Amino acid sequence: SQQGEEDPQALSIQEGENATMNCSYKTSINNLQWYRQNSGRGLVHLILIRSNEREKHSGRLRVTLDTSKKSSSLLITASRAADTASYFCATAGFQKLVFGTGTRLLVSP
Amino acid sequence: SQTIHQWPATLVQPVGSPLSLECTVEGTSNPNLYWYRQAAGRGLQLLFYSVGIGQISSEVPQNLSASRPQDRQFILSSKKLLLSDSGFYLCAWSVQGGGTDTQYFGPGTRLTVL
Repeated sequence: SQQGEEDPQALSIQEGENATMNCSYKTSINNLQWYRQNSGRGLVHLILIRSNEREKHSGRLRVTLDTSKKSSSLLITASRAADTASYFCATAGFQKLVFGTGTRLLVSP
Repeated sequence: SQTIHQWPATLVQPVGSPLSLECTVEGTSNPNLYWYRQAAGRGLQLLFYSVGIGQISSEVPQNLSASRPQDRQFILSSKKLLLSDSGFYLCAWSVQGGGTDTQYFGPGTRLTVL
């Protein structure tokens, strides 16, 4: 069964706007990761946040983690057309990751 | 630097035919290796993972199998394909002992079973 559930399933914004995606999960985790997938390609790791961290930044990406609510959010600031992709959260248990169903982000010029 | 290769990139096979997908990793030793399947517009389903040569863990009972004949080679096989085997197959690796840390994905194989 899938651990992470992203919300929304699809998001359409204009260039320059911010995009926020949410991920909820059900059980205890070691860490939570976000990945990006361009259409028809493999996944690319974006950022990892450990269970004892609350917020992490990487360039235009900001990730938060609330273990009490079992949720995480990914914020992409000042979005660009090149950010168009699917974004997945993945929760880390023992020896493996469990991926959610993803958010499809469309950034229009 | 580390690289991961998958082939073929695309494959169209008839129902009942055999399957062999290959994944190789370069630039690292003794990696954890993973096979995932992604249905159209869906998330990733973990099929198999391996922490060493000959060590395979199966996540989902099905007509697929995996083997790891060499340290950096991971093979996904089937004796007889089903229509439901269609999908996008992704191989990934992570640092040994880091099964819950970053995974690095290959470019994938698009399999269509007709």
